[in-house]
Amino acid sequence: EEQLVESGGGLVQPGGSLRLSCAASGVTFSPYWVNWVRQAPGKGLVWVSRISSDGSSRNYADSVKGRFTISRDNAKNTLYLQMNSLRAEDTAVYYCARGSFAGGFDYWGQGTLVTVSS
Amino acid sequence: QSVLTQPPSVSAAPGERVTISCSGSTSNIGNNLVSWYQQLPGTAPKLLIYENNKRPSGIPDRFSGSKSGTSATLGITGLQTGDEADYYCATWDSSLTAGIFGGGTKLTVL
Repeated sequence: EEQLVESGGGLVQPGGSLRLSCAASGVTFSPYWVNWVRQAPGKGLVWVSRISSDGSSRNYADSVKGRFTISRDNAKNTLYLQMNSLRAEDTAVYYCARGSFAGGFDYWGQGTLVTVSS
Repeated sequence: QSVLTQPPSVSAAPGERVTISCSGSTSNIGNNLVSWYQQLPGTAPKLLIYENNKRPSGIPDRFSGSKSGTSATLGITGLQTGDEADYYCATWDSSLTAGIFGGGTKLTVL
């Protein structure tokens, strides 16, 4: 089955850290840009970060710049998001999505919930 | 508040046609390609339209996309109750050097 599967979400205190993973299964991963998109409870989609196919180019939303780091391991078909200095406003379901804004995000994971609360 | 402006909600009867607008600026829609996503309740988003007006395989031709200047439009004809969902436009913003989604539009099929 073709799928992206996120993991690593959970409850963390403000100021804490989490590392999310997104594993690709049956989905061609290495030639594509890959993104993280989040959705706070009851809110809309917000783009978080993207990484190029070879990992040489990365972009971040201003709201996470300096706190989050995106990376990938093409040998393991896995995308990562290291999240540090977490804030309450980072509480959201985090989705990984394959593709570019031009060609569209054609594969999405099911999402993993991150809750930042004391 | 998103850089891309969508109406919060639209509604129409089964079988009718509806359009959802997405308004931006020269730094985003005006100079970049637009994609559209459908998010059914409790599920991950699904790609409906890419490169302004192209449909992925499996997306029925009831769904269409267009772009003019700094605005884009999603059209849905022959509305079905199963089309009730949130719809989002998305593009790259060259000034922000960041991706952006519209605020989303909730479609109700009456």
